[in-house]
Amino acid sequence: QSALTQPASVSGSPGQSITISCTGTSSDVGAYNYVSWYQQHPGKAPKLIIYDVSDRPSGVSYRFSGSKSGNTASLTISGLQAEDEADYYCNSYTSSSTPYVFGTGTKVTVL
Amino acid sequence: QVQLVESGGGLVKPEGSLRLSCAASGFTFSDYYMSWIRQAPGKGLEWISYISFTGSTIYYADSVKGRFTISRDNAKNSLYLQMNTLRAEDTAVYYCARGGRHCGGGSCFWFDPWGQGTLVTVSS
Repeated sequence: QSALTQPASVSGSPGQSITISCTGTSSDVGAYNYVSWYQQHPGKAPKLIIYDVSDRPSGVSYRFSGSKSGNTASLTISGLQAEDEADYYCNSYTSSSTPYVFGTGTKVTVL
Repeated sequence: QVQLVESGGGLVKPEGSLRLSCAASGFTFSDYYMSWIRQAPGKGLEWISYISFTGSTIYYADSVKGRFTISRDNAKNSLYLQMNTLRAEDTAVYYCARGGRHCGGGSCFWFDPWGQGTLVTVSS
């Protein structure tokens, strides 16, 4: 099971919106609405920010939103803030023998 | 509050064994599937295993199948990972996380929260 494909890095200025893509296959992202996104600051544990493609856990900023089209899921961060600088990982349930696969990770830089 | 605390990491020689523990608090442990996820130094996340409420259903990533064993003790609110025949490529921070498929009558195809992680280093 190969990792989902994410851009290595994305950057934006404060206040701007950025979008991170997560490309999989018809056996994972395209097959299920079980895509989740995680934010990880340096030296910290990952934190769930989006689940089931587009749902936000309680306490997560409305500036984070998720969507999916075909085999590609996306995370959009609107009104970019300095605290959003972190690594972001997508994850999908899969139909393979390994039930979950993570994305390759994207480093978000706030300029 | 919901909390997961891992322990048991350390330095181990190749082919050696190690047992990780994860102590859960702040929620009904037996109502959740639980997972182990790892992250090699400077690398991305890798899901490695999940276990159902009672341990009747278990899945592993191909990379650890046959070498690692996940288990749980609901009476002790604890999750475990027995790691045998360790290799250099198993060097990573190991996280336990709540979630994996089902939770209290619903679905939990996500991982939340995560523990702080415990570092396993496999080296001679």
